[in-house]
Amino acid sequence: AQSVAQPEDQVNVAEGNPLTVKCTYSVSGNPYLFWYVQYPNRGLQFLLKYITGDNLVKGSYGFEAEFNKSQTSFHLKKPSALVSDSALYFCAVRDERSGGYQKVTFGTGTKLQVIP
Amino acid sequence: GAGVSQSPSNKVTEKGKDVELRCDPISGHTALYWYRQSLGQGLEFLIYFQGNSAPDKSGLPSDRFSAERTGGSVSTLTIQRTQQEDSAVYLCASSLIGAGGYNEQFFGPGTRLTVL
Repeated sequence: AQSVAQPEDQVNVAEGNPLTVKCTYSVSGNPYLFWYVQYPNRGLQFLLKYITGDNLVKGSYGFEAEFNKSQTSFHLKKPSALVSDSALYFCAVRDERSGGYQKVTFGTGTKLQVIP
Repeated sequence: GAGVSQSPSNKVTEKGKDVELRCDPISGHTALYWYRQSLGQGLEFLIYFQGNSAPDKSGLPSDRFSAERTGGSVSTLTIQRTQQEDSAVYLCASSLIGAGGYNEQFFGPGTRLTVL
């Protein structure tokens, strides 16, 4: 079984400050991990993914995420938050051992509010 | 190239009526997913297609919900005898199926369903 948790319903950060949106996962094998963003009144967009290799993954809009196997985490980060980063962020996971079964499990989402 | 399209963008119906929601995935994407999202909340998985078959229908809320996919392309989600609790945004996504199975999903803009 695969699962993912986003422990914070909402994160507030001041513009210009670093931001972190937390995600932890549970899989049997190795994880494939994803972050998606949903801006207000818009569809979900892919931000970045971790498959293998370097634990620090860089994505769109200056976001990055750090894969930590020992802590089973994949937190989303950005060095300096912009007001335009305010959106709903979803973490997702797929177990490498699920073979041809392509279902991805999404977290419940974290609302990021960047305060001017 | 064209992204995932969904129609209609908005649907208002009366309680008890049947509705059909359509999804056109990106050409060549073998995997297709339906999700439901209520008022900026999390993603509720409904059903997943691999080609024309649905290995996982576990998320369909009741037997009033059904979905099909034909020609490995277009998918239709049908809700019979709609209820007010069916009101939500229905999202469709598609992805490639590669050997690694770690391809991201591309989401459509959604269909906002309102049941009066």
